[in-house]
Amino acid sequence: AQKVTQAQTEISVVEKEDVTLDCVYETRDTTYYLFWYKQPPSGELVFLIRRNSFDEQNEISGRYSWNFQKSTSSFNFTITASQVVDSAVYFCALSSSGGSYIPTFGRGTSLIVHP
Amino acid sequence: EAGVTQSPTHLIKTRGQQATLRCSPISGHTSVYWYQQALGLGLQFLLWYDEGEERNRGNFPPRFSGRQFPNYSSELNVNALELEDSALYLCASSPGDWTEQYFGPGTRLTVT
Repeated sequence: AQKVTQAQTEISVVEKEDVTLDCVYETRDTTYYLFWYKQPPSGELVFLIRRNSFDEQNEISGRYSWNFQKSTSSFNFTITASQVVDSAVYFCALSSSGGSYIPTFGRGTSLIVHP
Repeated sequence: EAGVTQSPTHLIKTRGQQATLRCSPISGHTSVYWYQQALGLGLQFLLWYDEGEERNRGNFPPRFSGRQFPNYSSELNVNALELEDSALYLCASSPGDWTEQYFGPGTRLTVT
């Protein structure tokens, strides 16, 4: 069985603060994929990143960065200098061979960025 | 390039009725996925269609069904609607590669 835990239900920050969204996953498979999606108030999920289990290299894309650590089964997402437009619900997801690669999503973290 | 489209945006039905939701994938994508996002429950996988065939389904009763047409668009049908079926239904598509899915804006179904 696979599981994704996003322990932070809601985070509230003031614009320009840095914020880290936590994601902890569980799987028995050695081959798996991790994702982050953003869901703004409009409802549409926006794909942010995919990382496979063999690539632990951290990634930076503009103000976004991801820290993948297999030792702690975590795939955390950091937004640097947050902006009001970052306000959304962020979902972490896991796909693995044992789950027929059907994504399992976490419950999501609601990020509110105040001006 | 046009993204995944879904119709209708909103749908209001009465308990016991049937609902039909539609999804058009990104051009070139052959796989379509359906998810239910009920309040407080996160995203739950419903169905996966690829090349016209149902490839997998989540833990939902048989009254949730669907199909994929030759042009890869898809329908989700929910029969005998229950109040707890009220949710946002999201469709996603991928180019046969299940690892990267692109989502549509969703259909919000309200059952009264």
